[in-house]
Amino acid sequence: DAGVIQSPRHEVTEMGQEVTLRCKPISGHDYLFWYRQTMMRGLELLIYFNNNVPIDDSGMPEDRFSAKMPNASFSTLKIQPSEPRDSAVYFCASSRRVGGIHEQFFGPGTRLTVL
Amino acid sequence: AQSVTQLGSHVSVSEGALVLLRCNYSSSVPPYLFWYVQYPNQGLQLLLKYTSAATLVKGINGFEAEFKKSETSFHLTKPSAHMSDAAEYFCAVSNNNDMRFGAGTRLTVKP
Repeated sequence: DAGVIQSPRHEVTEMGQEVTLRCKPISGHDYLFWYRQTMMRGLELLIYFNNNVPIDDSGMPEDRFSAKMPNASFSTLKIQPSEPRDSAVYFCASSRRVGGIHEQFFGPGTRLTVL
Repeated sequence: AQSVTQLGSHVSVSEGALVLLRCNYSSSVPPYLFWYVQYPNQGLQLLLKYTSAATLVKGINGFEAEFKKSETSFHLTKPSAHMSDAAEYFCAVSNNNDMRFGAGTRLTVKP
């Protein structure tokens, strides 16, 4: 399996622009997670999906952030409009429940810089 | 609610020395516990996991961790550090569908 795939790996944009991050989970995994990592706040869970349905979006910082999962093999995280404080590394992870537990597999991340 | 606390944001050891990274958890139900490693410019990779079977869990790259319920701890150890172990290490707890991560501990290995 190719693992979790994220694109782009790096994104540089200007304040006010729309940014879309993409994720392809591991085939057969029915949970998908979006995280944000910064030096100041560490690793934060933004939102997670189960069977393409958003379950908990309490970590989404503002209405400028939105996430979708139109099918089992694709998810997007959109920021509109972007701000410099959104600069971070965004990780996507996927998992499936085995024996009652999840082992999350992480993608390589997207490093976002908002100027 | 569940959470983990990693004691020490930075740990420095000499090559060949014992590695000890500390993690304490808080959970209202028996937890599942994990250690992940993150190398520079990469995603997180699972080192090992505790799933209520053996309390001493062995992982990849010579790491192991011991679950101690009485101390609510899940410390990560390795008998002899290698230069290649330099990375950031995250402890995580899960007892629902989500996972909560600690703040991370950056391990530096000196030659």
